[in-house]
Formats: sequence, C-alpha cells, structure tokens
Amino acid sequence: GIQVEQSPPDLILQEGANSTLRCNFSDSVNNLQWFHQNPWGQLINLFYIPSGTKQNGRLSATTVATERYSLLYISSSQTTDSGVYFCAVEDGQNFVFGPGTRLSVLP
Amino acid sequence: DTAVSQTPKYLVTQMGNDKSIKCEQNLGHDTMYWYKQDSKKFLKIMFSYNNKELIINETVPNRFSPKSPDKAHLNLHINSLELGDSAVYFCASSQWGDEKLFFGSGTQLSVL
Repeated sequence: GIQVEQSPPDLILQEGANSTLRCNFSDSVNNLQWFHQNPWGQLINLFYIPSGTKQNGRLSATTVATERYSLLYISSSQTTDSGVYFCAVEDGQNFVFGPGTRLSVLP
Repeated sequence: DTAVSQTPKYLVTQMGNDKSIKCEQNLGHDTMYWYKQDSKKFLKIMFSYNNKELIINETVPNRFSPKSPDKAHLNLHINSLELGDSAVYFCASSQWGDEKLFFGSGTQLSVL
C-alpha cells in the first residue's frame, strides 16, 4: 500500500511566525487532504488538494502530484493553530494518514 | 446539526466485556469508515463500508465487527475487550469519488 511521511514531526513556534509542513507520498494519488486535530481531539478538514494550490485565510496548501509531495503553509501563526496536522491520501477504498506534525504555538 | 456524530464520547469498561460505539452521518454520504488512533496519534483504518461492501483491514482482530443497519449508520461492536484496545476510535464518512472526508468527534475507549 501507499506510504505517507510527514516532516517535521514536531514544531514549536512563537506566535506570529510562519511555518511550512511537508507531506511525501510513495505513489500517485487522486485525493489528498490536510487535517488539523485540535487539542480537544477534533479532526477538522482543512483542504482537499490532489494538485495545485489553495488558500483559506492564513493557511494555504500546494500539492505537486508529479513529485509526490504536498506542503501546508501557516502564516502569522496563532495559539489556536496548535495541535497535530495530518495529511491523508486515498489508497483504494480508504484513506491512509501520515504520522502527523505536532505544532505548538507559544504566546 | 452535527454532520458525523458518534456516541458515547467516553467509554470505560473492564477487560472481557463486549461494547458498541454508534455512528451516524446526515451528509447523505455513501461511504463510512472506522479509524483507530493510538496513544502516539497514529490513525489507522479499521473498516470502510460502501454500498453494502465491507472492506476490512486484515490486521483488525475479528473481535471487532462493523454493523450497518442503513447507509447513514455504521456501528462498531467489540467483543472480549483487551487492554490493548484502549484508544480513540473515530467514525468518518465521505461520498465515494468526491472530495472531503468528515470525522466524528471520537470515542475514547479505556479498558481496565
């Protein structure tokens, strides 16, 4: 099955800083999504982005499908951005998740 | 209205017991899933259920069984609970071939 890696595993930022999270996958995909798991455990869908670039407020994502990676950009980070960020790719009839990047934004 | 809802949110039980977790989605999706999140936050697929076709992750013990009374519900039954079953279990749904995956709020299962 498809393998998904994420980097870095942990990231600590000062409020207001920018960051880039990376997701690498081992095979071509038709569906890639980014999720945020907040400190209360809720999994929120941020982007559906199998290719190209999308922006939503301070967050944007880019997927380069031919090179099998996706990037999530967080600008002007806030403490509410803390949590774990996952990318997930479609593999047959289910979604495979990466191990996540744990982000801590300090006030 | 909650799109994907699961109950209970917390479940504490003794080893050897049988328990169920319920999941309902009101999005009209045709595919539902159960994921297990371990203590290191790894999310692993347990089951996906699409148009009455069940896809089972072969690593899931047969003590776990999904039951779908209709397209909007996918419940998870667990027999003879073991300590290693302690985890957070997430239900999710999507429209197959469409875009986003939506998650319920999770059920934290603690087996004592």
